[in-house]
Amino acid sequence: RKEVEQDPGPFNVPEGATVAFNCTYSNSASQSFFWYRQDCRKEPKLLMSVYSSGNEDGRFTAQLNRASQYISLLIRDSKLSDSATYLCVVNGGNQGGKLIFGQGTELSVKP
Amino acid sequence: DTGVSQDPRHKITKRGQNVTFRCDPISEHNRLYWYRQTLGQGPEFLTYFQNEAQLEKSRLLSDRFSAERPKGSFSTLEIQRTEQGDSAMYLCASSWTGTGSGRAKDTQYFGPGTRLTVL
Repeated sequence: RKEVEQDPGPFNVPEGATVAFNCTYSNSASQSFFWYRQDCRKEPKLLMSVYSSGNEDGRFTAQLNRASQYISLLIRDSKLSDSATYLCVVNGGNQGGKLIFGQGTELSVKP
Repeated sequence: DTGVSQDPRHKITKRGQNVTFRCDPISEHNRLYWYRQTLGQGPEFLTYFQNEAQLEKSRLLSDRFSAERPKGSFSTLEIQRTEQGDSAMYLCASSWTGTGSGRAKDTQYFGPGTRLTVL
């Protein structure tokens, strides 16, 4: 079983749609949770950290359920520029800070 | 304010050759990480340094791989006797574990990567 599992997609949605990505992780010792965005052939870039209380950044909302070891990302009013791969990321559960990545969910927003 | 840089950006080599990649982290960052990413997968952790000390190595890092960060600044990753299975994007990231940085503590910032193709 992979440490971080995501639906690989692709998700093909029209502009303006709301899309949700889900992720589960296996290491209950993980303390930090993130969503990274990766454009084709580019490096991953931090989209947002995820907190137990849930957090929102504009059109993006992230939720964490520690009991279920489940993380989600909601994108509202999707734009063409949101097309990318979204990576669910958790830390390794120790003090070292290494990141464990899911395989990524590809999103394609169409006009 | 410069980000993480990596050199070269692309490397094509023949099987059996040695290759070396360089990573220059964000200047005040004390941690430096190496990851490997293959097509359709997320990055996989290889190793990390805190200052000049290599503190963790993944089981993915075979004996053919070695990484250094001699002065706690830039790092090199060397692959000896390359194999076709080594073809991947090699990503470097850095982070700051202390206080006083303008960037978020513990957030890892990635470089553009070195794409290795082994023929």
